[in-house]
Amino acid sequence: EAQVTQNPRYLITVTGKKLTVTCSQNMNHEYMSWYRQDPGLGLRQIYYSMNVEVTDKGDVPEGYKVSRKEKRNFPLILESPSPNQTSLYFCASSPYRGRTGELFFGEGSRLTVL
Amino acid sequence: AQSVTQLDSQVPVFEEAPVELRCNYSSSVSVYLFWYVQYPNQGLQLLLKYLSGSTLVKGINGFEAEFNKSQTSFHLRKPSVHISDTAEYFCAVSANTGGFKTIFGAGTRLFVKA
Repeated sequence: EAQVTQNPRYLITVTGKKLTVTCSQNMNHEYMSWYRQDPGLGLRQIYYSMNVEVTDKGDVPEGYKVSRKEKRNFPLILESPSPNQTSLYFCASSPYRGRTGELFFGEGSRLTVL
Repeated sequence: AQSVTQLDSQVPVFEEAPVELRCNYSSSVSVYLFWYVQYPNQGLQLLLKYLSGSTLVKGINGFEAEFNKSQTSFHLRKPSVHISDTAEYFCAVSANTGGFKTIFGAGTRLFVKA
């Protein structure tokens, strides 16, 4: 089954404790992206990747890191999480370099930073 | 730069009634337009998209949207809603130019009442 898989789905952590949210897609998509969803703000892009070893900042990259060592994986790293990073995070992929095509989303990862 | 405005944050409607969810966008270049739906505790999935051609676009679950270039709108409609249509709906725009970003609106929560 074609899908984007995120883990963990739910996480409660404390300020400053490094964490990684994994994202994997099995559709051989070139483009992958991370979004955060906050009430009243919709989805805002954190980082995106056009292909392996090619990443770029989105609208809200502060406090986050990403890497794209393999085509299928695009982990999101919070080196020192803070309470303002409490949010619902979505990973998405696309076969059309994200510009014209459909985005395929994971089921989301709800992160709470205390 | 592009922006998307969803004019209603919540839309309550009775079952079998028609519904329209409004979306306006701004862009200095031509764009591609999308509507996504998010059911509770799930990721987003594509309802429909406008890339070019006919301005009336039909999507899944009986939804349709009309692209109006002069009014920069892309309103979503359904002639008769069901309880199962209760969800959050996001309008999104992607510029037909350099850059690979999809901008999302803040979302409209559709609540279908029996």
